Amino acid sequence: DAGITQSPRHKVTETGTPVTLRCHQTENHRYMYWYRQDPGHGLRLIHYSYGVKDTDKGEVSDGYSVSRSKTEDFLLTLESATSSQTSVYFCAISDYTDTQYFGPGTRLTVL
Amino acid sequence: GNSVTQMEGPVTLSEEAFLTINCTYTATGYPSLFWYVQYPGEGLQLLLKATKADDKGSNKGFEATYRKETTSFHLEKGSVQVSDSAVYFCALSVVGAQKLVFGQGTRLTINP
Repeated sequence: DAGITQSPRHKVTETGTPVTLRCHQTENHRYMYWYRQDPGHGLRLIHYSYGVKDTDKGEVSDGYSVSRSKTEDFLLTLESATSSQTSVYFCAISDYTDTQYFGPGTRLTVL
Repeated sequence: GNSVTQMEGPVTLSEEAFLTINCTYTATGYPSLFWYVQYPGEGLQLLLKATKADDKGSNKGFEATYRKETTSFHLEKGSVQVSDSAVYFCALSVVGAQKLVFGQGTRLTINP
């Protein structure tokens, strides 16, 4: 298994609070991704990174920001959480092939 | 654009039945195609992939053939087991962009 961890694994928060999810890899892969998984939608890309300090938006980036100051860490921040951001969030990594490897996920509930 | 359409679920089968989960795609260029599997409470795992037309990906008894003429990548298994119960995702790589596009997923339940 690829060395990918996500923290926290579960979080309950209230509307309007900031939330940061962390993805950590030990594979030294260049590319990192954040997805959200919702019933009926599969996985949708939020943001991705193609190197330290190099990030770009995915298809559902509104309300989310990311940062990558080290190769191994990719942070996803919800500046002011809303109930529509209740979801399961997955981090993924890839090297120079097109195969992605996924972390275990974070279940976020916004009340 | 790029998109993936999967067979509607959920799918329920008896153990040892034959499985087909349909997947069709639209894409710019010639993408790689993937099947990922997600067991309850876990992340996605790569099940198999194919990188060019007529390639067959296979793993754990599952197979899928990259059919360019029908833009399909159907997943098959000859005899399913209870342990195959999971959600299956078809995906394609966006050519030149190092990104994947996923289908909506198909939940499979195998009854003993």
